[in-house]
Amino acid sequence: AQSVTQLDSHVSVSEGTPVLLRCNYSSSYSPSLFWYVQHPNKGLQLLLKYTSAATLVKGINGFEAEFKKSETSFHLTKPSAHMSDAAEYFCVRTGNTGKLIFGQGTTLQVKP
Amino acid sequence: SAVISQKPSRDICQRGTSLTIQCQVDSQVTMMFWYRQQPGQSLTLIATANQGSEATYESGFVIDKFPISRPNLTFSTLTVSNMSPEDSSIYLCSVTRGQGPYEQYFGPGTRLTVT
Repeated sequence: AQSVTQLDSHVSVSEGTPVLLRCNYSSSYSPSLFWYVQHPNKGLQLLLKYTSAATLVKGINGFEAEFKKSETSFHLTKPSAHMSDAAEYFCVRTGNTGKLIFGQGTTLQVKP
Repeated sequence: SAVISQKPSRDICQRGTSLTIQCQVDSQVTMMFWYRQQPGQSLTLIATANQGSEATYESGFVIDKFPISRPNLTFSTLTVSNMSPEDSSIYLCSVTRGQGPYEQYFGPGTRLTVT
């Protein structure tokens, strides 16, 4: 079955340190992949997307993700965390009907 | 992108009643979707709202419980019927502009609490 697995339900970093949020997908083909962010009491915002072009994808707010087919991974990174990055992050893939399949989410905590 | 609004933003309802949530987009879109996000959980697709025809429901969701309308290309409603406390969730609509696996844009959500 098509699925997305976010390997960490909760990640805590200090402000100014790197962020790594891990995501693996299962598939017999390369899907489109996305990262969305959800701030408390806010809707979902698209951070970045991979659609079979460049494997290193740059998004908003300094985030980027690298598509690694051999590892079926699409990890989200940021060199230096900011307090405003504290939020829930969802790794999302397309299914074979074009619908979105969401991971379980990773809560990012940023400590001062 | 797309600017999406939802009404109401939040509501507290009594069990056994129904609530209709509206989703308005600032321009015509190809597809509209409704999701549920239960407390502390990820998003689950309820249905695809089809313009001019019956919505397409995902496994576990039925029209009698979640009737959906989409009278035109910029507007849709989701009704949560005969509510129980288990229906307490955030309900989000989303849209996509093209055919195929394009990214979806989400509304701000409606936070529903059923007492």
